[in-house]
Amino acid sequence: GQNIDQPTEMTATEGAIVQINCTYQTSGFNGLFWYQQHAGEAPTFLSYNVLDGLEEKGRFSSFLSRSKGYSYLLLKELQMKDSASYLCAVRGSNYQLIWGAGTKLIIKP
Amino acid sequence: IAGITQAPTSQILAAGRRMTLRCTQDMRHNAMYWYRQDLGLGLRLIHYSNTAGTTGKGEVPDGYSVSRANTDDFPLTLASAVPSQTSVYFCASSDGLSGANVLTFGAGSRLTVL
Repeated sequence: GQNIDQPTEMTATEGAIVQINCTYQTSGFNGLFWYQQHAGEAPTFLSYNVLDGLEEKGRFSSFLSRSKGYSYLLLKELQMKDSASYLCAVRGSNYQLIWGAGTKLIIKP
Repeated sequence: IAGITQAPTSQILAAGRRMTLRCTQDMRHNAMYWYRQDLGLGLRLIHYSNTAGTTGKGEVPDGYSVSRANTDDFPLTLASAVPSQTSVYFCASSDGLSGANVLTFGAGSRLTVL
């Protein structure tokens, strides 16, 4: 079967760095996405990886290892507004997205 | 309108009633999707449409139907609502299916079936 695993919840301190991991087993791979979702709101796009390596976008970076079925989202200089759920999704062989259940990130002052 | 508009925002519905969730986009995106989001589960695809005039079944299509008469509109209908259809429903669109085509989501419709 197809599966996306990510931690249910993480806690970090304002100003610190946090890494959210995502492992996947899918039939086919056509890219991996990270989305941010604040409570009661719609998911919004953060990053896309299709090749191995690190993609950096400001305070956020995303890494992919296709051979290991693994990705992480790295958030630096955490701000209170980063408190949200972070969703990992993989585009499979039929080009539809398979979603993880999301990681709720709690930022403490 | 900017992006995707969903209506209603929230609805309480008696079991057995028919309900249509509306979704309109103004980005001229080819592909549109309906997802449901439940606590502890990832977004699950209900139905999708790759282009106007075509629709397809997703992971959890039973009890739902869709139509795509034009590019902009993609309504989701519950023919006879049941309590297990209590969920938050998100409509989304993308310019295409492949590569880095990003999904843009509507604000969601919270549906409670009693």
